[in-house]
Amino acid sequence: AQSVTQLGSHVSVSEGALVLLRCNYSSSVPPYLFWYVQYPNQGLQLLLKYTSAATLVKGINGFEAEFKKSETSFHLTKPSAHMSDAAEYFCAVSDRGMNSGYSTLTFGKGTMLLVSP
Amino acid sequence: DTEVTQTPKHLVMGMTNKKSLKCEQHMGHRAMYWYKQKAKKPPELMFVYSYEKLSINESVPSRFSPECPNSSLLNLHLHALQPEDSALYLCASSQAGTASYSNQPQHFGDGTRLSIL
Repeated sequence: AQSVTQLGSHVSVSEGALVLLRCNYSSSVPPYLFWYVQYPNQGLQLLLKYTSAATLVKGINGFEAEFKKSETSFHLTKPSAHMSDAAEYFCAVSDRGMNSGYSTLTFGKGTMLLVSP
Repeated sequence: DTEVTQTPKHLVMGMTNKKSLKCEQHMGHRAMYWYKQKAKKPPELMFVYSYEKLSINESVPSRFSPECPNSSLLNLHLHALQPEDSALYLCASSQAGTASYSNQPQHFGDGTRLSIL
C-alpha cells in the first residue's frame, strides 16, 4: 500500500526565508503525489500535483516541489516565506492500485508552518 | 472561494438529534467523498460515491448515513451521535472515469464543524 511520511510536525521560518517541507513516499508503483494547504477553519486547497510528467512541479502561491525517485521524496519549497503562508500542509499519495476510476488519497500527518516577522 | 459548497458551516446537536450535512458541487465531478478531520490530524476517509453509487464505506458506524441523490449533491445524515463524533466534516469531489482518473486531485469544501453535546 502507498504511504507518505512528513518529517517534522512543525516548521518555523522567518518572513523572507526559504520554506522547505519534507515528504517521503512509499509506493510499489510510480506514485501520484499531491500537496494540500489548510488554513484555519477552512478546507484543504490543492497547491500542486505530480502525475509523472515533469519532475519539477510548480504550484500556486509561489510553491514548487521536486519529485526525486532515487530519494523517494517530494519536498515542498518556496524561496521566500510570507506571513500569509502560515498554515497546515499535507502531503498525499493517490492509491493507484484499486483501478477504481477515481482517486483515493492517503495523507501524511501534516506539517504546521509557522512564519515569524 | 471554494467550488465545493458545504452547509451548514457549524452545527451543534444533542446525542438524540437527527440532522443532515449537505455538500454541493457544479464542476461535473462524478466522484464525491466524505472525510472526518479531528484537530491537528489529517482527514480520514469515510465514504466514496462514484457515479452516485456508494463505492467505499470505511467501516463507518451506522449512525452516519450517506446519500447521493444526484451527481451534484451529497448528504450525510446524522443520528444518535456520540461526543467523540465532534469534528470537522469535509466533503470533496473529483473527476472519475477510467483507471487513469486516479491521478485527479480532489477539491475540498470548507467543511462543517460539528459539536455533539
